Amino acid sequence: GAVVSQHPSRVICKSGTSVKIECRSLDFQATTMFWYRQFPKKSLMLMATSNEGSKATYEQGVEKDKFLINHASLTLSTLTVTSAHPEDSSFYICSAGDTGDPYEQYFGPGTRLTVT
Amino acid sequence: AQSVTQLGSHVSVSEGALVLLRCNYSSSVPPYLFWYVQYPNQGLQLLLKYTSAATLVKGINGFEAEFKKSETSFHLTKPSAHMSDAAEYFCAPRRGSNYKLTFGKGTLLTVNP
Repeated sequence: GAVVSQHPSRVICKSGTSVKIECRSLDFQATTMFWYRQFPKKSLMLMATSNEGSKATYEQGVEKDKFLINHASLTLSTLTVTSAHPEDSSFYICSAGDTGDPYEQYFGPGTRLTVT
Repeated sequence: AQSVTQLGSHVSVSEGALVLLRCNYSSSVPPYLFWYVQYPNQGLQLLLKYTSAATLVKGINGFEAEFKKSETSFHLTKPSAHMSDAAEYFCAPRRGSNYKLTFGKGTLLTVNP
């Protein structure tokens, strides 16, 4: 149990286009989901906290108009990178908190975004 | 604010040797503490967690960690390293019921044959 999926696993897009990444909790409900960004050989940087039915909370320095987050249901959150540029290329990882377990946070397998 | 220090960005051990990955947190209130492992190009997998119950926590793959409040530490150990343990390891404290994690910079573990 407690599986989080991300789609796509890899995506290549052209500069100026938008890309949507989906994060799904497959067998549990997640009121809260998180989006992280990881640069090569670096730690995870929290971008935003996604709450079902409300606006996401962005960390300082993260452009909310650039990284659009929608959490429309208890099992799905999406991250849209708008007008992507090469510097947006990165590994994006989502995680989901189980509403029935106060301790656990389950991570998706990540999405490798390359902007050409 | 929660902060965490992982001493040693890279630890190299021989197969069969003791693994010790260090983690110190900065908090006046003992947080919940987590260790995660990340294999190349994959997401994070929970190794173990401390949630204010037993101070010695056993996790998956033979790893364990001991919470020491006096030292504000939560070091990860494994008695005998295996080649499959080669990965990046992250220590992450969390304050209270907020799911928000603060990740350390990570320690890359390499295991030499």
